Amino acid sequence: GAVVSQHPSWVICKSGTSVKIECRSLDFQATTMFWYRQFPKQSLMLMATSNEGSKATYEQGVEKDKFLINHASLTLSTLTVTSAHPEDSSFYICSASAWGGRSTDTQYFGPGTRLTVL
Amino acid sequence: AQKVTQAQTEISVVEKEDVTLDCVYETRDTTYYLFWYKQPPSGELVFLIRRNSFDEQNEISGRYSWNFQKSTSSFNFTITASQVVDSAVYFCALSEARGGTASKLTFGTGTRLQVTL
Repeated sequence: GAVVSQHPSWVICKSGTSVKIECRSLDFQATTMFWYRQFPKQSLMLMATSNEGSKATYEQGVEKDKFLINHASLTLSTLTVTSAHPEDSSFYICSASAWGGRSTDTQYFGPGTRLTVL
Repeated sequence: AQKVTQAQTEISVVEKEDVTLDCVYETRDTTYYLFWYKQPPSGELVFLIRRNSFDEQNEISGRYSWNFQKSTSSFNFTITASQVVDSAVYFCALSEARGGTASKLTFGTGTRLQVTL
């Protein structure tokens, strides 16, 4: 149980284009999803918290107009990197928190999406 | 503010050795959760354990065991008889316990464990 998928697993794009990353909870309903960014050999940096049906809450320093987050249903959240530039190249990881039960306060992570902007 | 410190950046052991990964945390919350996650080379974070601040009982799961000591604000993780498949980066994390909804995780910087034959 508590499986989270991400698509795509990797993407290469040209500078200036937009990229959408999907995060799905496969076997549970996720009221809250989180988006993280991880640079090589570093820890995870929280970008934003996404609650189903409401606007995402962004961490300080994260541009909400550049990293668009949509949480349209209890099983799907998307992150769109708009007008991507090489400095946006990173490993993006989502997590989801289950609705109810013992695992309510636990985040389960997706496999990550490696974005390379040329 | 919350803070998690994993002082060990990298640890290298030979297979079958026991290894302990240290985690020290700081929080002003009276109730909170502590977590350990494993990140193998594939990149996916694997949930290992969640511990509620009220529950100081140590836990064992197979070759894994966790020692939670509130008095020293530590939540250490021991792997007994390590195996090559244990090679990964291990993250300790902390969140407020709000009940019913997940809170932000504060991660440590991670400990890279290398197990060799």
